[in-house]
Amino acid sequence: NAGVMQNPRHLVRRRGQEARLRCSPMKGHSHVYWYRQLPEEGLKFMVYLQKENIIDESGMPKERFSAEFPKEGPSILRIQQVVRGDSAAYFCASSLQGALVKNIQYFGAGTRLSVL
Amino acid sequence: KNEVEQSPQNLTAQEGEFITINCSYSVGISALHWLQQHPGGGIVSLFMLSSGKKKHGRLIATINIQEKHSSLHITASHPRDSAVYICAAEETSGSRLTFGEGTQLTVNP
Repeated sequence: NAGVMQNPRHLVRRRGQEARLRCSPMKGHSHVYWYRQLPEEGLKFMVYLQKENIIDESGMPKERFSAEFPKEGPSILRIQQVVRGDSAAYFCASSLQGALVKNIQYFGAGTRLSVL
Repeated sequence: KNEVEQSPQNLTAQEGEFITINCSYSVGISALHWLQQHPGGGIVSLFMLSSGKKKHGRLIATINIQEKHSSLHITASHPRDSAVYICAAEETSGSRLTFGEGTQLTVNP
């Protein structure tokens, strides 16, 4: 579980700024998932990526949010022009394989975004 | 109606008690996950199961595919088991997880 690294752990932004959340999957994992947990609410799926591909982005808000998982480097969840409603905990998970094989998703510690 | 529902929402127990948390789902699944979220917010995967029963230490997870129901049991509960327990359905259409609202468990010494 400690192998999925998210940074920063805490991020404070003012309204209108950009937030960049990083996720380095466990070694050998090529599948990354992003989830959001709004205050007092449950976890919600946002996006599922493989290296250089977005597989399922059905949980992503239509505007201001984007995600990538480049060939080299961590996966990035980018939120442009943040608003107070974006304040939440954002969790990344990684797995060895994706949809065709059942497998455990390992979670990072999360990034807590606060928008002032 | 949520696609994944858990009960109870909150559970308080005395140390040593047997705990059961229930999860019902309405979607087709390839697997059912049980997760534990610590007071500090970190999430740990406890079980992933698609049939039958799995056991790890004092934790037992069962699933009934026909009834679309899963249970998480904790035997000889301990205060360190206090956490939020989350059930998540991995849909057959892909790897996305659909989460229940979680069960807040408090075990008192």
